[in-house]
Amino acid sequence: DSGVTQTPKHLITATGQRVTLRCSPRSGDLSVYWYQQSLDQGLQFLIQYYNGEERAKGNILERFSAQQFPDLHSELNLSSLELGDSALYFCASSGTSGANVLTFGAGSRLTVL
Amino acid sequence: AQSVTQPDIHITVSEGASLELRCNYSYGATPYLFWYVQSPGQGLQLLLKYFSGDTLVQGIKGFEAEFKRSQSSFNLRKPSVHWSDAAEYFCAVSPLGTYKYIFGTGTRLKVLA
Repeated sequence: DSGVTQTPKHLITATGQRVTLRCSPRSGDLSVYWYQQSLDQGLQFLIQYYNGEERAKGNILERFSAQQFPDLHSELNLSSLELGDSALYFCASSGTSGANVLTFGAGSRLTVL
Repeated sequence: AQSVTQPDIHITVSEGASLELRCNYSYGATPYLFWYVQSPGQGLQLLLKYFSGDTLVQGIKGFEAEFKRSQSSFNLRKPSVHWSDAAEYFCAVSPLGTYKYIFGTGTRLKVLA
């Protein structure tokens, strides 16, 4: 158990729908990161939050948004879903494991039908 | 542009044999370097990291990696592979001062009994 908790583990939905993925970071970690792992794109950085504020943005689509709450948990919202959004979405956190070290959760597998 | 190349998509070795997984990166300066392992249904677990200093770094589970600046490489090695090492291995780089990891496409390791 890495200490980073992601829910749900699996999610199946239809095109056009909206889903929310949730992440609780390791105790004490202030930063949360979201990554997308797909067969064609590999592991792609989406977005980073630090203590509630957006810090860095990667290849995140406009249909996707995220936020980090005062209790430091984060949510990734995916809307107007397309088949190509099917992927494994990882959350990671950093801070207590040492500089520049990310601790990853087990991921949320999204299937869009 | 920054990139990470893992030239071997699949590698099969016999249990007890030695292992070397290749990783090359393209970056203007020496970045932070990482190897992560992903077991089926699991998140990414950090095996080892290189920030500076001794170019041979030791990690968990008996893995080591050697940073070679002249070759822009950070190859992962293990002298004797165990069946439980079967997994997917990812090399990653992180530009100094950022947490924005760039991952390679991964190498899937199969271990024959």
